[in-house]
Amino acid sequence: IVLTQSPATLSLSPGQGATLSCRASQTVTSFLAWYQQKPGQAPRLLIYGGSNRATGIPARFSGSGSGTDFTLTISTLGPEDFAVYYCQQRSIWPWTFGQGTKLEIK
Amino acid sequence: QVHLQESGPGLVKPSETLSLTCSVSGASSTADYWNWIRQSPGKGLEWIGYVFYSGATKYNPSLRSRVTISLDTSKNQVSLLLTSVTAADTAVYFCARESWYGTRWSGFDYWGQGTPVTVSS
Repeated sequence: IVLTQSPATLSLSPGQGATLSCRASQTVTSFLAWYQQKPGQAPRLLIYGGSNRATGIPARFSGSGSGTDFTLTISTLGPEDFAVYYCQQRSIWPWTFGQGTKLEIK
Repeated sequence: QVHLQESGPGLVKPSETLSLTCSVSGASSTADYWNWIRQSPGKGLEWIGYVFYSGATKYNPSLRSRVTISLDTSKNQVSLLLTSVTAADTAVYFCARESWYGTRWSGFDYWGQGTPVTVSS
C-alpha cells in the first residue's frame, strides 16, 4: 500500500492551526498511525487507530478518517510542534510509511 | 514503561552481514511484536520486519531473502541479521514495539533511539 502525504512542506506560524493529509492507495480500515520526528530522534507515536491519542500526547493533536483518507490536525501550533510528521499503515502487509510532511516555521 | 536500546557496529563492509541487537527493558507481554525499521535519506522510513513473542516472524518482501529477526527472551534481546549488504543498506536502524489489546492495535508505541549503520569498504 502506498501512503501519500500532503503537503510535502507546510509553512506556518506558532499559534496557527495545521492540517496534514495521508491518503492510502487501498483501504487500511482504521489501522493507521501518525508519528512526529525531530532531527536526530526516533519517531514518536502521536495517534493510533486513526483517531486515538497516544499516552501523554497533548489534546491539540487529533486524528480523523478511515478507509483511505486520514487527517492529522494540530489545533494551535506551539514552537515544539515544528517537525516532520509521518503516517503508517498496519492493515496490509508489508506495513508502510508515508514520505512525510515537514512542518516548518514561517 | 518499555525501554529499547539498539547496538551494533556502525560500519559494515559490502557483501558482509549486518548484525544488530535491541535490548529490551521494562514490562512486556505475550501480545508484543518487536519490529525493525530503517531510515535512509533516499527511502524514508522502511519497515524491515517483526518477531512476535512466540517467535513467529514476518518480513518485508523487498528484504525477505536477506533478513532474519529473532527473539531471545532469556536475554530480553531482539536481533537483526541482514546478509550481503550494499551501500543501499546504509541507514539508521530502529527497533520498535507494537502490541495488541484485544482487537485494538497500539501503533509503534516504543522506539529505540536508533543506531546508524554505514556500508562501505
